Amino acid sequence: QSVLTQPPSASGTPGQRVTISCSGSSSNIGSNYVYWYQQLPGTAPKLLIYRNNQRPSGVPDRFSGSKSGTSASLAISGLRSEDEADYYCAAWDDSLSGHAVFGGGTQLTVL
Amino acid sequence: QVQLVQSGAEVKKPGASVKVSCKASGYTFTGYYMHWVRQAPGQGLEWMGWINPNSGGTNYAQKFQGRVTMTRDTSISTAYMELSRLRSDDTAVYYCARDDGHYDSSGYYAHSSFFWGQGTLVTVSS
Repeated sequence: QSVLTQPPSASGTPGQRVTISCSGSSSNIGSNYVYWYQQLPGTAPKLLIYRNNQRPSGVPDRFSGSKSGTSASLAISGLRSEDEADYYCAAWDDSLSGHAVFGGGTQLTVL
Repeated sequence: QVQLVQSGAEVKKPGASVKVSCKASGYTFTGYYMHWVRQAPGQGLEWMGWINPNSGGTNYAQKFQGRVTMTRDTSISTAYMELSRLRSDDTAVYYCARDDGHYDSSGYYAHSSFFWGQGTLVTVSS
């Protein structure tokens, strides 16, 4: 049982916009930044979004993040086949002595 | 460029211990916390703990307290994670991950995002 809650799956067709939600609590998302990681099949996770809505260099602007209260979301616009991957949200949790917590992951399928 | 290169796959019997290494390059090893995260087959990411490479201080997830030991050798910029009393459900890919945080003016380390190693598969089987 993950501390952060994500839908297990999401899907969309090429060109569509999809969103993935991430729900937490006041001790994690409510008081700390949210991070999003993309994990392509058979590879290590890669940072996609940091500090709620910032993109590292090299990440297309089709990816965007937002946060409101104790929830966050990742939006992918102009969906492409190469976006098919697992997506994880993460945050630091003040109630757990600064431990990191993850969502259970969302498997995105491009139909 | 920043690189984290982990040791190779391991096969262990139940009850044994495993020690995974993570060699860092391209940055000042003692300037960033190092975390360990594992992923069981077909499952999500599970945070195990961190080590402060500068002081050697550690912080472990409660689930792994008493079974995990994180250490480092600053002379070779390498972090280690040892997990003891292995069980079949410890079968997973183990990742080291550099914490891209920073020390603030008071010396407190503000955690941030992770930069990941390539992962090490540990298989526990009799």
